[in-house]
Amino acid sequence: AQSVTQPDIHITVSEGASLELRCNYSYGATPYLFWYVQSPGQGLQLLLKYFSGDTLVQGIKGFEAEFKRSQSSFNLRKPSVHWSDAAEYFCAVGAPGGFKTIFGAGTRLFVKA
Amino acid sequence: GAGVSQSPSNKVTEKGKDVELRCDPISGHTALYWYRQSLGQGLEFLIYFQGNSAPDKSGLPSDRFSAERTGGSVSTLTIQRTQQEDSAVYLCASSLRGDEKLFFGSGTQLSVL
Repeated sequence: AQSVTQPDIHITVSEGASLELRCNYSYGATPYLFWYVQSPGQGLQLLLKYFSGDTLVQGIKGFEAEFKRSQSSFNLRKPSVHWSDAAEYFCAVGAPGGFKTIFGAGTRLFVKA
Repeated sequence: GAGVSQSPSNKVTEKGKDVELRCDPISGHTALYWYRQSLGQGLEFLIYFQGNSAPDKSGLPSDRFSAERTGGSVSTLTIQRTQQEDSAVYLCASSLRGDEKLFFGSGTQLSVL
């Protein structure tokens, strides 16, 4: 069974600074990996996904994530954070073949001026 | 509609009462999930329906929780003899197969008094 860990419950960064949110997964083969964002009062929105191929994936809103098989990680990055990025971010892992998608506990991002 | 629809959006009930939460997925999506999001918690997997396969009920927290999906479309999550710890937002999501991008509903905020 797959699992996902987000080690940071919350992170605070200054506006304009770079961001990296950590995600580690457990799965016996190459999983499907996702990052979702939940803004205050909003539903969950997909930022990006990795299925196969290029290990660096680009998403919406200037986000990117890198799949590192050797570290079982799929960290989310953004070079310059905007105040509107303040939200909760969820990493998720799925598996090919129609297996269920499991979410991490989430990381809440605070952006200070 | 074009998205995942959940009803009611808010439900207030008394401890010990039964509640039913409804989810209408996107037409054509074979996979349907229920998740629970408690205050300060991540997305807790509850149950997963995929096509005609037996549902994965491994996330249901107790036998007071049950769910069904009729005709491969609408799903109902039932909580019997509600407890205060059941208070949470219950989110429904659907996807084409289950291992791909999930489309979330707006959730049902359940409050057990």
